[in-house]
Amino acid sequence: GAGVSQSPSNKVTEKGKDVELRCDPISGHTALYWYRQSLGQGLEFLIYFQGNSAPDKSGLPSDRFSAERTGGSVSTLTIQRTQQEDSAVYLCASSFTQSSYEQYFGPGTRLTVT
Amino acid sequence: AQSVTQLDSQVPVFEEAPVELRCNYSSSVSVYLFWYVQYPNQGLQLLLKYLSGSTLVESINGFEAEFNKSQTSFHLRKPSVHISDTAEYFCAVSVRGYNKLIFGAGTRLAVHP
Repeated sequence: GAGVSQSPSNKVTEKGKDVELRCDPISGHTALYWYRQSLGQGLEFLIYFQGNSAPDKSGLPSDRFSAERTGGSVSTLTIQRTQQEDSAVYLCASSFTQSSYEQYFGPGTRLTVT
Repeated sequence: AQSVTQLDSQVPVFEEAPVELRCNYSSSVSVYLFWYVQYPNQGLQLLLKYLSGSTLVESINGFEAEFNKSQTSFHLRKPSVHISDTAEYFCAVSVRGYNKLIFGAGTRLAVHP
């Protein structure tokens, strides 16, 4: 079956612009996670969804970052007023349930802020 | 808070040689332990995990890792590596009851002919 998909695969944007990154989890997976992979910080957790609710947003680095999930499926990560330090690969993962400890990762969106 | 330390950022090794990638973690509560692999230009894939039971866990492609609670370690080993094992390997923990993964900085394994 289809894995986790993310779009776009690459995004180049100018400093100060807003961007939206999309994640389509594996069908039937109720838990969804966003992570960020950058040279300076490694792999960092951003936010976790169970269904459409986000019980853990502790990793969002600033109020410029937000995320939502609709229909218990697709999720969008929005970065407002992008800064150069936002340049990174944004990874999405999903798991079957909250207590399923195997997370399946998407290929990521490479964001470059110029 | 939990943290993961991968002691080697890069490990060069010749084909068919053994390899050990080291991982130590810090946590005041029980954790689950994972190794993920990222092949060049690909996404993260789960290699193996320790949740409970036998402290030695194995993957389908010959890797194994042993959970050592007293040393808070979860080192990854393979007795004989292949060129195709060239990748970046990430050790990760999650706290029981919480699903977010906390990753180490990664170890780049480079297998040379």
